[in-house]
Amino acid sequence: EAQVTQNPRYLITVTGKKLTVTCSQNMNHEYMSWYRQDPGLGLRQIYYSMNVEVTDKGDVPEGYKVSRKEKRNFPLILESPSPNQTSLYFCASRRTTGTQYFGPGTRLLVL
Amino acid sequence: KNQVEQSPQSLIILEGKNCTLQCNYTVSPFSNLRWYKQDTGRGPVSLTIMTFSENTKSNGRYTATLDADTKQSSLHITASQLSDSASYICVVSVIPAGNNRKLIWGLGTSLAVNP
Repeated sequence: EAQVTQNPRYLITVTGKKLTVTCSQNMNHEYMSWYRQDPGLGLRQIYYSMNVEVTDKGDVPEGYKVSRKEKRNFPLILESPSPNQTSLYFCASRRTTGTQYFGPGTRLLVL
Repeated sequence: KNQVEQSPQSLIILEGKNCTLQCNYTVSPFSNLRWYKQDTGRGPVSLTIMTFSENTKSNGRYTATLDADTKQSSLHITASQLSDSASYICVVSVIPAGNNRKLIWGLGTSLAVNP
């Protein structure tokens, strides 16, 4: 089944404790991206990747890192999480042009 | 400034009724417009996509329209079902300098279909 998977789905952590949210797609898509969704603000892009080893900042990249060492994986790294990073996170992928397919989301709470 | 505005913010209808959601955009240069459905706590799922030259696109009970002159789009849901309860998000794609496509997301309309 063609899909985008994220892990973990739910995460509670404390301020400053590094964490990684994994994202994987099995559709051989070139483009992958990370979004966060907050009430009243909609979806905002954090980082995106046009292909392997090519990443770029989205609209709200501060406090986040990404890497794209393999085509199928695009992990999101929070080196030192803070409470304002509490949010619902979505990974998405698509071909160079085409519809984005979203993962199921990761709900993060930073205490 | 590129913007996508949706109305109403929320809507409650009875099962079986029709409804129309609105999307106004101020985006340039326009590439295409998509409607997504997002169930609570889940990722958005694409319903329709329309380019500049298309003025209507259907997907089952969902029909999207696009007026590129007035920069307005609507999503019409026919014979609503309980499973239509979700947030509906309008997304406009722009291609700024550098040919790197960018998406401008609306805040969505929250639809509740009651029995």
